Amino acid sequence: AQSVTQLDSQVPVFEEAPVELRCNYSSSVSVYLFWYVQYPNQGLQLLLKYLSGSTLVKGINGFEAEFNKSQTSFHLRKPSVHISDTAEYFCAAFTGNQFYFGTGTSLTVIP
Amino acid sequence: DVKVTQSSRYLVKRTGEKVFLECVQDMDHENMFWYRQDPGLGLRLIYFSYDVKMKEKGDIPEGYSVSREKKERFSLILESASTNQTSMYLCASSYPRGTSGSPSTDTQYFGPGTRLTVL
Repeated sequence: AQSVTQLDSQVPVFEEAPVELRCNYSSSVSVYLFWYVQYPNQGLQLLLKYLSGSTLVKGINGFEAEFNKSQTSFHLRKPSVHISDTAEYFCAAFTGNQFYFGTGTSLTVIP
Repeated sequence: DVKVTQSSRYLVKRTGEKVFLECVQDMDHENMFWYRQDPGLGLRLIYFSYDVKMKEKGDIPEGYSVSREKKERFSLILESASTNQTSMYLCASSYPRGTSGSPSTDTQYFGPGTRLTVL
Protein backbone atom coordinates (compact mmCIF):
# COMPACT_ATOMS: atom_id res chain seq x y z
CA ALA A 1 0.00 0.00 0.00
CA GLN A 2 1.12 3.51 -0.71
CA SER A 3 1.78 5.80 2.23
CA VAL A 4 3.41 9.01 3.31
CA THR A 5 5.11 9.25 6.70
CA GLN A 6 5.97 12.40 8.56
CA LEU A 7 7.87 11.20 11.59
CA ASP A 8 7.85 14.47 13.50
CA SER A 9 4.44 15.62 14.65
CA GLN A 10 5.83 18.77 16.30
CA VAL A 11 9.01 20.69 15.59
CA PRO A 12 9.93 23.71 17.73
CA VAL A 13 12.76 25.88 16.43
CA PHE A 14 14.20 29.26 17.33
CA GLU A 15 13.79 32.17 14.97
CA GLU A 16 16.57 32.45 12.33
CA ALA A 17 17.65 28.84 12.95
CA PRO A 18 17.56 26.25 10.15
CA VAL A 19 14.83 23.62 10.03
CA GLU A 20 14.24 20.30 8.32
CA LEU A 21 10.84 18.61 8.21
CA ARG A 22 11.09 14.98 7.29
CA CYS A 23 8.92 13.07 4.84
CA ASN A 24 9.23 9.50 3.63
CA TYR A 25 7.01 7.76 1.15
CA SER A 26 6.45 4.20 0.13
CA SER A 27 5.78 3.52 -3.49
CA SER A 28 6.95 0.95 -5.96
CA VAL A 29 5.86 3.04 -8.93
CA SER A 30 6.41 6.57 -10.18
CA VAL A 31 5.50 9.16 -7.61
CA TYR A 32 4.99 12.89 -7.59
CA LEU A 33 5.66 14.71 -4.33
CA PHE A 34 4.30 17.87 -2.77
CA TRP A 35 4.65 19.98 0.35
CA TYR A 36 1.71 22.05 1.51
CA VAL A 37 1.48 24.59 4.34
CA GLN A 38 -1.61 25.33 6.40
CA TYR A 39 -1.71 28.54 8.42
CA PRO A 40 -4.16 28.73 11.33
CA ASN A 41 -7.79 28.69 10.24
CA GLN A 42 -6.89 28.48 6.58
CA GLY A 43 -6.85 25.86 3.84
CA LEU A 44 -3.72 24.25 2.45
CA GLN A 45 -1.39 26.20 0.20
CA LEU A 46 1.21 24.65 -2.09
CA LEU A 47 4.83 25.26 -1.05
CA LEU A 48 6.57 23.24 -3.73
CA LYS A 49 6.29 20.10 -5.83
CA TYR A 50 8.49 17.53 -7.51
CA LEU A 51 7.21 15.99 -10.73
CA SER A 52 10.46 15.21 -12.58
CA GLY A 53 13.87 16.67 -13.43
CA SER A 54 16.16 18.24 -10.85
CA THR A 55 15.88 16.55 -7.48
CA LEU A 56 16.30 19.85 -5.62
CA VAL A 57 13.09 21.81 -5.74
CA LYS A 58 12.73 25.40 -4.62
CA GLY A 59 9.41 26.73 -3.40
CA ILE A 60 7.86 29.84 -1.98
CA ASN A 61 8.95 31.63 1.21
CA GLY A 62 12.53 30.35 0.96
CA PHE A 63 11.69 26.66 1.37
CA GLU A 64 13.30 23.89 -0.64
CA ALA A 65 13.07 20.11 -0.73
CA GLU A 66 15.21 17.33 -2.12
CA PHE A 67 13.84 14.20 -3.73
CA ASN A 68 15.94 11.17 -2.79
CA LYS A 69 14.76 8.10 -4.61
CA SER A 70 17.14 5.66 -2.91
CA GLN A 71 15.98 6.78 0.53
CA THR A 72 12.38 7.36 -0.59
CA SER A 73 12.48 10.75 1.08
CA PHE A 74 11.39 14.28 0.30
CA HIS A 75 12.55 16.38 3.24
CA LEU A 76 11.66 20.07 3.45
CA ARG A 77 14.29 22.59 4.52
CA LYS A 78 14.69 26.27 5.22
CA PRO A 79 18.05 27.81 6.21
CA SER A 80 16.57 30.51 8.46
CA VAL A 81 13.01 30.44 9.76
CA HIS A 82 10.81 33.39 10.60
CA ILE A 83 7.99 33.73 13.10
CA SER A 84 5.54 33.77 10.20
CA ASP A 85 6.60 30.21 9.25
CA THR A 86 4.69 28.88 12.26
CA ALA A 87 2.12 26.57 10.66
CA GLU A 88 1.19 22.97 9.90
CA TYR A 89 3.12 21.36 7.05
CA PHE A 90 1.86 18.42 5.02
CA CYS A 91 3.79 16.16 2.72
CA ALA A 92 1.78 14.52 -0.05
CA ALA A 93 2.39 11.98 -2.79
CA PHE A 94 0.49 11.32 -5.98
CA THR A 95 0.89 7.78 -7.19
CA GLY A 96 -1.36 5.41 -9.01
CA ASN A 97 -4.46 7.52 -9.31
CA GLN A 98 -4.68 9.12 -5.89
CA PHE A 99 -3.13 11.65 -3.58
CA TYR A 100 -1.83 10.49 -0.19
CA PHE A 101 -1.17 12.95 2.61
CA GLY A 102 1.06 12.61 5.65
CA THR A 103 -0.26 13.30 9.13
CA GLY A 104 1.34 16.72 9.26
CA THR A 105 4.16 18.42 11.16
CA SER A 106 3.41 21.39 13.35
CA LEU A 107 6.28 23.87 13.09
CA THR A 108 6.51 26.40 15.90
CA VAL A 109 9.03 29.19 15.57
CA ILE A 110 10.13 30.56 18.94
CA PRO A 111 11.18 34.23 19.18
CA ASP B 1 -6.51 34.66 -8.85
CA VAL B 2 -7.33 31.05 -7.98
CA LYS B 3 -10.29 30.66 -5.67
CA VAL B 4 -12.01 27.78 -3.95
CA THR B 5 -14.83 28.72 -1.59
CA GLN B 6 -16.74 26.66 0.91
CA SER B 7 -20.24 27.59 2.01
CA SER B 8 -19.57 27.73 5.73
CA ARG B 9 -16.50 28.14 7.95
CA TYR B 10 -18.23 26.73 11.01
CA LEU B 11 -21.27 24.48 11.22
CA VAL B 12 -23.02 22.84 14.17
CA LYS B 13 -25.55 20.08 13.52
CA ARG B 14 -27.43 17.50 15.55
CA THR B 15 -27.04 13.74 15.25
CA GLY B 16 -29.26 12.36 12.51
CA GLU B 17 -29.54 15.60 10.54
CA LYS B 18 -28.83 15.70 6.83
CA VAL B 19 -25.88 18.01 6.18
CA PHE B 20 -24.80 19.66 2.96
CA LEU B 21 -21.31 21.09 2.50
CA GLU B 22 -20.88 23.12 -0.65
CA CYS B 23 -17.69 23.85 -2.55
CA VAL B 24 -17.32 26.19 -5.52
CA GLN B 25 -14.26 26.85 -7.66
CA ASP B 26 -13.87 29.59 -10.24
CA MET B 27 -10.90 28.14 -12.15
CA ASP B 28 -12.78 25.89 -14.59
CA HIS B 29 -11.03 22.90 -12.98
CA GLU B 30 -12.18 19.45 -13.94
CA ASN B 31 -11.09 17.65 -10.77
CA MET B 32 -12.60 18.28 -7.37
CA PHE B 33 -11.98 16.57 -4.03
CA TRP B 34 -13.38 16.31 -0.53
CA TYR B 35 -11.10 15.53 2.41
CA ARG B 36 -11.57 15.41 6.12
CA GLN B 37 -8.76 16.52 8.40
CA ASP B 38 -8.38 15.12 11.90
CA PRO B 39 -5.55 15.62 14.43
CA GLY B 40 -2.91 12.95 14.07
CA LEU B 41 -4.52 11.51 10.94
CA GLY B 42 -3.75 14.21 8.40
CA LEU B 43 -6.00 14.50 5.36
CA ARG B 44 -8.09 11.57 4.26
CA LEU B 45 -9.83 11.50 0.91
CA ILE B 46 -13.59 10.99 1.05
CA TYR B 47 -14.63 11.36 -2.59
CA PHE B 48 -13.34 12.93 -5.75
CA SER B 49 -14.81 13.84 -9.10
CA TYR B 50 -13.01 14.28 -12.42
CA ASP B 51 -15.99 15.47 -14.42
CA VAL B 52 -19.57 16.62 -14.11
CA LYS B 53 -21.82 13.83 -12.79
CA MET B 54 -18.77 11.62 -12.22
CA LYS B 55 -17.62 10.53 -8.77
CA GLU B 56 -15.13 8.12 -7.30
CA LYS B 57 -14.79 6.84 -3.74
CA GLY B 58 -11.72 7.78 -1.80
CA ASP B 59 -10.36 6.10 1.33
CA ILE B 60 -13.28 6.80 3.68
CA PRO B 61 -16.55 7.19 1.75
CA GLU B 62 -18.78 5.47 4.31
CA GLY B 63 -21.48 7.77 5.64
CA TYR B 64 -20.97 10.31 2.86
CA SER B 65 -22.22 10.94 -0.64
CA VAL B 66 -21.42 13.63 -3.20
CA SER B 67 -23.03 15.50 -6.04
CA ARG B 68 -21.48 17.22 -9.05
CA GLU B 69 -24.21 18.67 -11.23
CA LYS B 70 -22.13 21.59 -12.48
CA LYS B 71 -18.43 21.78 -13.20
CA GLU B 72 -17.76 24.50 -10.65
CA ARG B 73 -19.68 22.98 -7.73
CA PHE B 74 -19.01 19.82 -5.69
CA SER B 75 -21.26 19.03 -2.76
CA LEU B 76 -20.58 16.69 0.14
CA ILE B 77 -23.64 15.19 1.81
CA LEU B 78 -23.88 13.57 5.22
CA GLU B 79 -27.14 11.63 4.96
CA SER B 80 -27.48 11.19 8.73
CA ALA B 81 -24.81 13.01 10.66
CA SER B 82 -23.08 11.21 13.50
CA THR B 83 -20.74 12.47 16.21
CA ASN B 84 -17.77 10.68 14.63
CA GLN B 85 -18.18 12.92 11.60
CA THR B 86 -17.18 15.95 13.66
CA SER B 87 -14.14 17.16 11.75
CA MET B 88 -12.60 19.78 9.50
CA TYR B 89 -13.71 19.28 5.90
CA LEU B 90 -11.52 20.56 3.08
CA CYS B 91 -12.46 20.90 -0.55
CA ALA B 92 -9.87 21.06 -3.33
CA SER B 93 -9.75 21.33 -7.10
CA SER B 94 -7.12 20.72 -9.76
CA TYR B 95 -6.51 20.91 -13.53
CA PRO B 96 -5.88 19.42 -16.02
CA ARG B 97 -7.43 16.01 -16.11
CA GLY B 98 -5.02 13.10 -15.87
CA THR B 99 -4.99 10.16 -18.22
CA SER B 100 -7.70 7.49 -18.15
CA GLY B 101 -9.92 9.67 -16.02
CA SER B 102 -7.57 9.64 -13.07
CA PRO B 103 -7.01 12.79 -11.04
CA SER B 104 -4.40 15.20 -12.29
CA THR B 105 -0.89 15.17 -10.90
CA ASP B 106 -0.93 18.93 -10.85
CA THR B 107 -1.42 21.25 -7.93
CA GLN B 108 -4.51 20.96 -5.76
CA TYR B 109 -6.03 24.26 -4.67
CA PHE B 110 -7.78 24.15 -1.34
CA GLY B 111 -10.69 26.03 0.14
CA PRO B 112 -10.52 27.49 3.68
CA GLY B 113 -12.28 24.51 5.23
CA THR B 114 -15.52 23.91 7.10
CA ARG B 115 -15.28 22.94 10.73
CA LEU B 116 -18.31 20.72 11.38
CA THR B 117 -19.43 19.80 14.87
CA VAL B 118 -22.10 17.13 15.28
CA LEU B 119 -23.75 17.11 18.69
